[in-house]
Amino acid sequence: SAVISQKPSRDICQRGTSLTIQCQVDSQVTMMFWYRQQPGQSLTLIATANQGSEATYESGFVIDKFPISRPNLTFSTLTVSNMSPEDSSIYLCSVEDQSRNSYEQYFGPGTRLTVT
Amino acid sequence: GENVEQHPSTLSVQEGDSAVIKCTYSDSASNYFPWYKQELGKRPQLIIDIRSNVGEKKDQRIAVTLNKTAKHFSLHITETQPEDSAVYFCAAPGKASKIIFGSGTRLSIRP
Repeated sequence: SAVISQKPSRDICQRGTSLTIQCQVDSQVTMMFWYRQQPGQSLTLIATANQGSEATYESGFVIDKFPISRPNLTFSTLTVSNMSPEDSSIYLCSVEDQSRNSYEQYFGPGTRLTVT
Repeated sequence: GENVEQHPSTLSVQEGDSAVIKCTYSDSASNYFPWYKQELGKRPQLIIDIRSNVGEKKDQRIAVTLNKTAKHFSLHITETQPEDSAVYFCAAPGKASKIIFGSGTRLSIRP
């Protein structure tokens, strides 16, 4: 499966500031996704990062708050804008394994964000 | 709409016993059902999956069963060991390659 890395692994940020999280994959992938996992909760899809076009956001998530870039097939960024303590969470990127024409998704190690 | 329900939310079993986690889904067109294991502080890891053309799949001590008529699928772990302690998530496909996760089951193995 693809090797996925994320930067930073964790950060502590002040409210009102923004943080950009990077996701790098060691092979070209068509589908990349961004998830949020709040403490003790399940994974919630934020958006699908589309290469060459605007991301597709899920209900409850908007581009102004979570702008996403996808400049090529191996890289994506998620920005958490104008942060508040409610944004404290783990943010994970994932990619879909295209090699077996399946839905198999693999996750990056996550970014633990704390907003004070 | 797309919905995946998972239960129980917590499960404690004696080491060596079996554990069963159950999920139901709403979209009858769903055809792929993965299970993820997430250890504390780690990323979710795909441990087993099943496609709609089979009713059961086994991989050593873990197995997954699927009942398409009833729209439910289950994870079975036999001969549980301490390293099986983790949070387990079921999932089912939504639209456009996305997958919808269940709420998770925290499995604890008692020594």
